[in-house]
Amino acid sequence: QKEVEQNSGPLSVPEGAIASLNCTYSDRGSQSFFWYRQYSGKSPELIMFIYSNGDKEDGRFTAQLNKASQYVSLLIRDSQPSDSATYLCAAPRYSGGGADGLTFGKGTHLIIQP
Amino acid sequence: GAGVSQSPSNKVTEKGKDVELRCDPISGHTALYWYRQSLGQGLEFLIYFQGNSAPDKSGLPSDRFSAERTGGSVSTLTIQRTQQEDSAVYLCASSPTSGSWYEQFFGPGTRLTVL
Repeated sequence: QKEVEQNSGPLSVPEGAIASLNCTYSDRGSQSFFWYRQYSGKSPELIMFIYSNGDKEDGRFTAQLNKASQYVSLLIRDSQPSDSATYLCAAPRYSGGGADGLTFGKGTHLIIQP
Repeated sequence: GAGVSQSPSNKVTEKGKDVELRCDPISGHTALYWYRQSLGQGLEFLIYFQGNSAPDKSGLPSDRFSAERTGGSVSTLTIQRTQQEDSAVYLCASSPTSGSWYEQFFGPGTRLTVL
């Protein structure tokens, strides 16, 4: 079974520092990856999508993908208390008909300390 | 515009009863997904619809679970003879179409509690 693995945390980071979240995946055929943020009691919301090796930046967020090593990471610069949430890494799952959903990691609980 | 909506937001039921959960996707989205999130667990994929068709039902946990979608829009997830292990948040998502490159937009979820 294809897996997406994350450290569940909690990961505690002081306000203003860089938070680094990591994810590994087992399926070498995975071509794209999603980072979702989920606040407690809320539904997931997409914050980053990456499909090329290297870095992708969007504001304070940078996603990094290394297909050879099968890991994807998310960096949050200038961390704010509002960034405190669970971050879910996801990769498309495939059946005979193509991509049909997402396989999620269990998520990393991030706490930004004021 | 309107996002994905789900109803009910909370459902408490007794073991052995049947429940029906509803999802209304974003207008025009042809792909619809059901996931389940149990306490301490990640999001577990259940089933996917492209239009009204569900090509692969193997993600459903047991034959007590079924899902349908009509008119390429609203979907219902039915759980028959509920068990306590069915207690979870059931999340629905939709995307413009299927594929590896499309964001899935999630609804607020239905919290199911089986007593």
